[in-house]
Amino acid sequence: AQKVTQAQTEISVVEKEDVTLDCVYETRDTTYYLFWYKQPPSGELVFLIRRNSFDEQNEISGRYSWNFQKSTSSFNFTITASQVVDSAVYFCALKTSYDKVIFGPGTSLSVIP
Amino acid sequence: EADIYQTPRYLVIGTGKKITLECSQTMGHDKMYWYQQDPGMELHLIHYSYGVNSTEKGDLSSESTVSRIRTEHFPLTLESARPSHTSQYLCASSVGQPRDEQFFGPGTRLTVL
Repeated sequence: AQKVTQAQTEISVVEKEDVTLDCVYETRDTTYYLFWYKQPPSGELVFLIRRNSFDEQNEISGRYSWNFQKSTSSFNFTITASQVVDSAVYFCALKTSYDKVIFGPGTSLSVIP
Repeated sequence: EADIYQTPRYLVIGTGKKITLECSQTMGHDKMYWYQQDPGMELHLIHYSYGVNSTEKGDLSSESTVSRIRTEHFPLTLESARPSHTSQYLCASSVGQPRDEQFFGPGTRLTVL
């Protein structure tokens, strides 16, 4: 079965704090893709990153970084020095050979000034 | 930059009315999707299409129908709107294998009175 779990329903941090959003996935496929999306209050989902199952290299983009660990089936997302504009709902997603994208339930992040 | 458009952005309508939510993309993507989402909550796939004249129902049962006569256009129709249809509807498209990250439109917030 394919499944994405985001155990943190809501997180609140004070501006400039670092925050990590957890994502745990389940799949029996050896080839799969993982994604993170951001949904700000405006409602539109914004694609942030894609990672395939053969590439465990961590990635950093500005204040964003992603840690992919196949051993623990996790694809965690860290925001460094959080800002109010980071307040949004963040979705982790999984795509396998079944060709559908499965979204996690989302984590709502509030950054308090 | 993704170019996917949805109209209307907001719609308030009475019970029993027929409505069509429009979705268009200019990226030439073969795959298109409709999701239903209560604000900030889980995304539910209700319809998808892998190309012209191809439509499939998603994981969440929906009384809506879709059509795909042109690559760029994927409208969703509700023959008789009910208050239970009140939700946000998100349209997305993707380029296909193997990457398949989805690009989302701004959404239509539908309220049925």
